[in-house]
Amino acid sequence: DAGITQSPRYKITETGRQVTLMCHQTWSHSYMFWYRQDLGHGLRLIYYSAAADITDKGEVPDGYVVSRSKTENFPLTLESATRSQTSVYFCASRNRDPTDTQYFGPGTRLTVL
Amino acid sequence: EDQVTQSPEALRLQEGESSSLNCSYTVSGLRGLFWYRQDPGKGPEFLFTLYSAGEEKEKERLKATLTKKESFLHITAPKPEDSATYLCAVPKGSGGYQKVTFGTGTKLQVIP
Repeated sequence: DAGITQSPRYKITETGRQVTLMCHQTWSHSYMFWYRQDLGHGLRLIYYSAAADITDKGEVPDGYVVSRSKTENFPLTLESATRSQTSVYFCASRNRDPTDTQYFGPGTRLTVL
Repeated sequence: EDQVTQSPEALRLQEGESSSLNCSYTVSGLRGLFWYRQDPGKGPEFLFTLYSAGEEKEKERLKATLTKKESFLHITAPKPEDSATYLCAVPKGSGGYQKVTFGTGTKLQVIP
């Protein structure tokens, strides 16, 4: 299907475990983004990528790792999950035009026990 | 520091009762302002981009306007299907369009 997808949609894990959230887009957009959304904070940027093998930190990168070996995929890894990382995670993408909007995926609800 | 503040946090309207949502911002050198709609359990969906003070854009019952300090999302004769959280966002003063500051949103409920 065309668009942007995320998997899993729901995930429960334990403190200290490694978790990877997947994001896949079919538009061949250059830019991809990871956000977390928490009550009272709105959407906050974790990492973004301008192209394959090019990534940069956002506002809240600590505890997260990203990679982008292919244009269409942008996985987000929590190397050692903490309870403070319980959140809803959204992936987004946009094309090269800096004034274009970002298109968001459906989100992954992550609970860290 | 770049800031985006939305008000009210929540708004309850009767069907057909028009109102406005506010998004005030402080950012050096505004390069655009985005409005999104977010339904429960879904990702934000793009509505509008505004670039300069005085600009207006419309889509069905929604009209977005922009001044030098704030933006309004006017909802005319809302219907229950307009119920959602409305987010505004602005690109940060530095870092290109990659880094965007989002407001915490206004949760709109339209009652039949």
